Amino acid sequence: SQQGEEDPQALSIQEGENATMNCSYKTSINNLQWYRQNSGRGLVHLILIRSNEREKHSGRLRVTLDTSKKSSSLLITASRAADTASYFCATDADDYKLSFGAGTTVTVRA
Amino acid sequence: DGGITQSPKYLFRKEGQNVTLSCEQNLNHDAMYWYRQDPGQGLRLIYYSQIVNDFQKGDIAEGYSVSREKKESFPLTVTSAQKNPTAFYLCASSTSRDTQYFGPGTRLTVL
Repeated sequence: SQQGEEDPQALSIQEGENATMNCSYKTSINNLQWYRQNSGRGLVHLILIRSNEREKHSGRLRVTLDTSKKSSSLLITASRAADTASYFCATDADDYKLSFGAGTTVTVRA
Repeated sequence: DGGITQSPKYLFRKEGQNVTLSCEQNLNHDAMYWYRQDPGQGLRLIYYSQIVNDFQKGDIAEGYSVSREKKESFPLTVTSAQKNPTAFYLCASSTSRDTQYFGPGTRLTVL
């Protein structure tokens, strides 16, 4: 079952602009993760934020988590053409399982 | 794609045929997973295994089977009972509830 839902479904931005996407989920979590998928490839882990954390940074990525609203956001700053991909949030369901959303497709225009 | 390999990259299946997708990891991870991805959609869990010789059904296990005889290997068989198998199949592994590492995927098409 998909617990996470990303918004928007698609995003088109100019190179150098920032891209923001959101994820909402339904039940309590231990952590929330963001993954990137280039077309026709496997997923690559970007960042993990635990339920007791509110913000985390990794390079040009900034993730926030609001457990009271059951939502998270991923910000990519100073976007590049190589950032063109689909981005998925994933929440830990139970045991070792993750529940993935349908993703946000980001297109960075040169 | 880390230390996870999937083969083949493309696979074609005829009606009524069983096919097996390979997944191998050299990351020494205990847990392994199989996901199905349809166009424009997220990942749906087919089967997962937390330890050798043990595995559990995910959300869409019908028409699929797996085995976990070795820590490094978690093959997925798509049986003839799976009526709509055309999809992109992803294998992943992990040590815990945290990061999962994904293989490059196998694209299965029914002829």
